[in-house]
Amino acid sequence: AQSVTQPDIHITVSEGASLELRCNYSYGATPYLFWYVQSPGQGLQLLLKYFSGDTLVQGIKGFEAEFKRSQSSFNLRKPSVHWSDAAEYFCAVGRGGGGADGLTFGKGTHLIIQP
Amino acid sequence: EAEVAQSPRYKITEKSQAVAFWCDPISGHATLYWYRQILGQGPELLVQFQDESVVDDSQLPKDRFSAERLKGVDSTLKIQPAELGDSAMYLCASSVAAGTYNEQFFGPGTRLTVL
Repeated sequence: AQSVTQPDIHITVSEGASLELRCNYSYGATPYLFWYVQSPGQGLQLLLKYFSGDTLVQGIKGFEAEFKRSQSSFNLRKPSVHWSDAAEYFCAVGRGGGGADGLTFGKGTHLIIQP
Repeated sequence: EAEVAQSPRYKITEKSQAVAFWCDPISGHATLYWYRQILGQGPELLVQFQDESVVDDSQLPKDRFSAERLKGVDSTLKIQPAELGDSAMYLCASSVAAGTYNEQFFGPGTRLTVL
């Protein structure tokens, strides 16, 4: 069965500093990987996804993520965070193909931005 | 911009009572998902519909939970009877078709509190 681990429950970053959120996955085949952001009172919003090809993927809001098969990781990065980036971030893995394709999410990382 | 609609946004009920949540997916989206998000956790898939048919309900506690999508459009998730452990956010998502490569769009959720 697939699983996702986000080792950091909370991360505090100063505004303007760089950010890296860690994600490790367990899946037998080539995974479909996602990062979602959830702000208070909002639904989950897709930041970026990786299916195949270039292992560095660009997303919305200035985020990027790098897929490293050898480390089973898909870490999210942003060079300079803004106060509006404070939110809960979830990494997810999907099984791919058609049929039953619900996502498996990690427990999330709560990002706090210091002024 | 089209959005997934959910109601109610908040629901407080006493244990042993029945509750129901409603979801209206983005128009034209054939695939609909219900996820449950316990506080401090990531979302967990409860059920997936393709049109009006259930594709995956392996994680749905069928002794008390039921879900339907009678006309293949909107959907209702019911809990009867509710238990204290059911307190959570219930998220609905839709995608244009089955397949992990199709983005799942999430609604704002229904926050359930069972007293």
